[in-house]
Amino acid sequence: EVQLLESGGGLVQPGGSLRLSCAASGFTFSSYAMSWVRQAPGKGLEWVSGVSGSGGSTFYADSVKGRFTISRDNSKNTLYLHMDSLRAEDTAVYYCAKVGSTMTTLNWYDPWGQGTLVTVSS
Amino acid sequence: DIVMTQSPDSLAVSLGERATINCKSSQSVLYSSNNENYLAWYQQIPGQPPKLLIYWASTRESGVPDRFSGSGSGTDFTLTISSLQAEDVAVYYCQQYYSTPITFGPGTKVDIK
Repeated sequence: EVQLLESGGGLVQPGGSLRLSCAASGFTFSSYAMSWVRQAPGKGLEWVSGVSGSGGSTFYADSVKGRFTISRDNSKNTLYLHMDSLRAEDTAVYYCAKVGSTMTTLNWYDPWGQGTLVTVSS
Repeated sequence: DIVMTQSPDSLAVSLGERATINCKSSQSVLYSSNNENYLAWYQQIPGQPPKLLIYWASTRESGVPDRFSGSGSGTDFTLTISSLQAEDVAVYYCQQYYSTPITFGPGTKVDIK
């Protein structure tokens, strides 16, 4: 069974940093691109960032470009999101998600993790 | 960026009746080289992560009840729940994966009338 387990969320002050992790199991991690998608409280889904299976290609939403860095450690089956210069508008549940098929970063997402809440507030 | 819109924002349907949700993309998500529409649908029950229902606009994910169906091509798409059940109360999102940034529709909330 494919499982994705996020961790690392919490309360951080504006301007601060946080690193999210997503531990994956149940599939060949390096064969699949992965993404982070966030959901602000009571709002819809916003794609944040994606990374290819090898880690060699990364993609970002304009809203986080230059502040967030996505990476992966295929030896540890773990996806990361390093977030710097956090703003109040970054407050959201952050989900990691696996793409549905191999060899592409442009794909549907299945499954999604349970999410980790990031709150940016003083 | 491809902008996704959905209609209606919310709808209430009687148990056993049909629910129809529309999704429109600001540009075509039909990829000519493989004739596939890069469009997916998700269900999000309150307090849970999104769950994939449909991909390639009309391919039902394994395990998804056959009362859920997707249709459409190019820029206009529809998710239909043929006979609404109580467990279908949720918010439904469409997503394009034709190009980055990946974008989602704003969601349609489905309730029981």
